[in-house]
Amino acid sequence: ETGVTQSPTHLIKTRGQQVTLRCSSQSGHNTVSWYQQALGQGPQFIFQYYREEENGRGNFPPRFSGLQFPNYSSELNVNALELDDSALYLCASSLEEVGEQFFGPGTRLTVL
Amino acid sequence: GDSVTQMEGPVTLSEEAFLTINCTYTATGYPSLFWYVQYPGEGLQLLLKATKADDKGSNKGFEATYRKETTSFHLEKGSVQVSDSAVYFCALYSGYSTLTFGKGTMLLVSP
Repeated sequence: ETGVTQSPTHLIKTRGQQVTLRCSSQSGHNTVSWYQQALGQGPQFIFQYYREEENGRGNFPPRFSGLQFPNYSSELNVNALELDDSALYLCASSLEEVGEQFFGPGTRLTVL
Repeated sequence: GDSVTQMEGPVTLSEEAFLTINCTYTATGYPSLFWYVQYPGEGLQLLLKATKADDKGSNKGFEATYRKETTSFHLEKGSVQVSDSAVYFCALYSGYSTLTFGKGTMLLVSP
């Protein structure tokens, strides 16, 4: 059984640019949640996708957007990058919207 | 809203010492409670969980008991190892799509 994978591992962007992060969910899981973990902080919920629809959103601006594909993999897009967007972005998949979440290794984004 | 409060770190212990990391929570309803561990440069791994009051979660020598009366879920281990050095996160799930995490507690174990 393949676990949750994320790509890329690391990414460096400049302020104002756009970025796309990718996540492949664990086999059989139809729900993907995205979290932002700033340095020294706990993960903060960005949004969740369940069966290709957004199913909940945290306190993040609209320039954070997402997508879930028919195979349940997912993308996180961030437009107009700001310095404060520098963080570890974690993806978690679950069997259903209320299921136990399994985390990927994360993508480290640095905005200069 | 939901919130989780953990003791601040770092917690510094010698190998074989007893570990306690305190966690208290505020939530509506009856949340499920979790402890996650994060090793340097890695994502989160579920360490243990409890889904109802008085449940005890346990894994790899770690334990935590869901105490509804004190809204607590303290993590304990009787004898820590150097390999336990990591950041530990307490989290809750109250049924609104998301996990709510504490800020994390770094544990440093020396030989």
